[in-house]
Amino acid sequence: QKEVEQNSGPLSVPEGAIASLNCTYSDRGSQSFFWYRQYSGKSPELIMSIYSNGDKEDGRFTAQLNKASQYVSLLIRDSQPSDSATYLCAPRGANDYKLSFGAGTTVTVRA
Amino acid sequence: DVKVTQSSRYLVKRTGEKVFLECVQDMDHENMFWYRQDPGLGLRLIYFSYDVKMKEKGDIPEGYSVSREKKERFSLILESASTNQTSMYLCASSLYGARGQAFFGQGTRLTVV
Repeated sequence: QKEVEQNSGPLSVPEGAIASLNCTYSDRGSQSFFWYRQYSGKSPELIMSIYSNGDKEDGRFTAQLNKASQYVSLLIRDSQPSDSATYLCAPRGANDYKLSFGAGTTVTVRA
Repeated sequence: DVKVTQSSRYLVKRTGEKVFLECVQDMDHENMFWYRQDPGLGLRLIYFSYDVKMKEKGDIPEGYSVSREKKERFSLILESASTNQTSMYLCASSLYGARGQAFFGQGTRLTVV
């Protein structure tokens, strides 16, 4: 079983719709969860971090965490063409030196 | 702003050459990482380091080695480059622990011919 699994995509959504990205992880010791966005040909950049169960909102982005289910998601509301990118999930524990990523979900927003 | 700088944006090397990829960070981060990224395979961890002279194998260390002689610098070494090592290589650094988000360099596109 992979440590971090994301919905495989690609995910195509019309402009203005909600894009929903899912991530499950195997390490119950994970405490922090990071979402990175990677544009084609560019490096990943952090867009959201969440540490507690529940929802965290930042602009059009909402991260949702359920540690009991070992599940974290990212919602992109009012999707824009500029949101077209690959989104990477990365959990991390308090004693983690290692940082592993999911394979990523590619989102395409259709104008 | 945190800055992670990789020494080259593009490299072309011949099969069998020894290749050095350099990475420098300016935020005094304990952790540094080397990943390779290939289409459809995501970011795969090659090696990471949690302190000077300390290193750990990641998920795909075969054919690679690393060096960390100074806290700010982490080098990836391809002892004898092969065509299957043609890839995008990404360096990252972070603070240690759960709140340690990763900051990435700009990437090195390595082509082995």
